[in-house]
Amino acid sequence: RKEVEQDPGPFNVPEGATVAFNCTYSNSASQSFFWYRQDCRKEPKLLMSVYSSGNEDGRFTAQLNRASQYISLLIRDSKLSDSATYLCVVNMRSLGGGADGLTFGKGTHLIIQP
Amino acid sequence: EPEVTQTPSHQVTQMGQEVILRCVPISNHLYFYWYRQILGQKVEFLVSFYNNEISEKSEIFDDQFSVERPDGSNFTLKIRSTKLEDSAMYFCASSPQGGNSPLHFGNGTRLTVT
Repeated sequence: RKEVEQDPGPFNVPEGATVAFNCTYSNSASQSFFWYRQDCRKEPKLLMSVYSSGNEDGRFTAQLNRASQYISLLIRDSKLSDSATYLCVVNMRSLGGGADGLTFGKGTHLIIQP
Repeated sequence: EPEVTQTPSHQVTQMGQEVILRCVPISNHLYFYWYRQILGQKVEFLVSFYNNEISEKSEIFDDQFSVERPDGSNFTLKIRSTKLEDSAMYFCASSPQGGNSPLHFGNGTRLTVT
């Protein structure tokens, strides 16, 4: 069964703090990983792809741990505008082909408090 | 920045009626998708489309659903004989390549079946 699991939260975090959350996936052969951000009743928007060696984009750092089958997202110096739901997305297809392999987690709800 | 556009933004229909949801993918993208998100639940894959035919579909995408690319720009999702449980946000997405490429989502059509 294809599964992407996330802690739904909410994570209530003061502005300026660092927050991290994980996502686990069931298919060890999964090849591509993404974090999307979704605001209330809006479309998912790509935040960042997750690469095997880990990658950083400004205040955001993504890590992949293949051995334990999880990816993580760390947000430093959190802003009020970071409040959103963060969706973990995994391509479950072992050969990386086909969009049906894009499995979404239910999301982690983050609330940044002033 | 090019966008995926969807119309209408909100569609209300009576149970048993047919609806057509419309999407204009990004012009140089080759892969097109429909996803849905029932309120409070995760984003679910419905169907992918490439080279004028369905490439993959989920178990949700049964005979009630069909997709079409009637011209060079539009990509439509038809839902026949709508049911109450079809009420959801329907997102169209496109990508320049399949497989490991991230998706660009439209802003969605909220379908309400009464």
